[in-house]
Amino acid sequence: DIQMTQSPSSLSASVGDRVTITCQASQNIISYLNWYQQKPGKAPNLLIYAASSLQSGVPSRFSGSGSGTDFTLTISSLQPEDFATYYCQQSYSTASYTFGQGTKLDIK
Amino acid sequence: QVQMVQSGAEVKKPGASVKVSCKASGYTFTGYYIHWVRQAPGQGLEWMGWINPNTGGTNYAQMFQDRVTMTRDTSISTVYMELSRLRSDDTAVYYCARDWTTMVRGVKFYYMDVWGKGATVTVSS
Repeated sequence: DIQMTQSPSSLSASVGDRVTITCQASQNIISYLNWYQQKPGKAPNLLIYAASSLQSGVPSRFSGSGSGTDFTLTISSLQPEDFATYYCQQSYSTASYTFGQGTKLDIK
Repeated sequence: QVQMVQSGAEVKKPGASVKVSCKASGYTFTGYYIHWVRQAPGQGLEWMGWINPNTGGTNYAQMFQDRVTMTRDTSISTVYMELSRLRSDDTAVYYCARDWTTMVRGVKFYYMDVWGKGATVTVSS
């Protein structure tokens, strides 16, 4: 199975900060990388697909980049509603859609 | 609108089985795979497998291969996930999610675009 490793596992930031979360795949997954946001008690919500494509309705302060094994999710200016846990997920191997372990973003 | 409505919370004893349902609406049920993902308390997301509602074909994560069965009933647009030989570490929220395919720069990409609210399964003696 393809392993996905996120860093950091947790992150404290302030409203207005620029935040970057990274995700590394154990093998080349080209651009088959998705990002989800999850708030407590809620289902995950898709933010970014195909590494850099913004899902409809997602604010433009969210962006994704990367290819191969290294990927980044950036929030350009944190808003109060962005404090949540973020997960990357690979869809290169459709036989096994693995998630990263998550990055919890909280208020400093 | 597209919705995935899941069954309610369950409490089971170790060694028992649980069957969680997920009813899809607002789109062509047989057109899109459905995934099952679980989340233990305070833990991350764990992909369990998918089912093709059109053919009934399935693909399970290796760690669940011998305990999980995913089925569907096309007459009521519903998929089911049954997990057997339950253990305390199967206590989790179980989500279903639709698999969506889109073309980006001429290449097909896959992601989970609509999720159910989750069904809590508690395994306790």
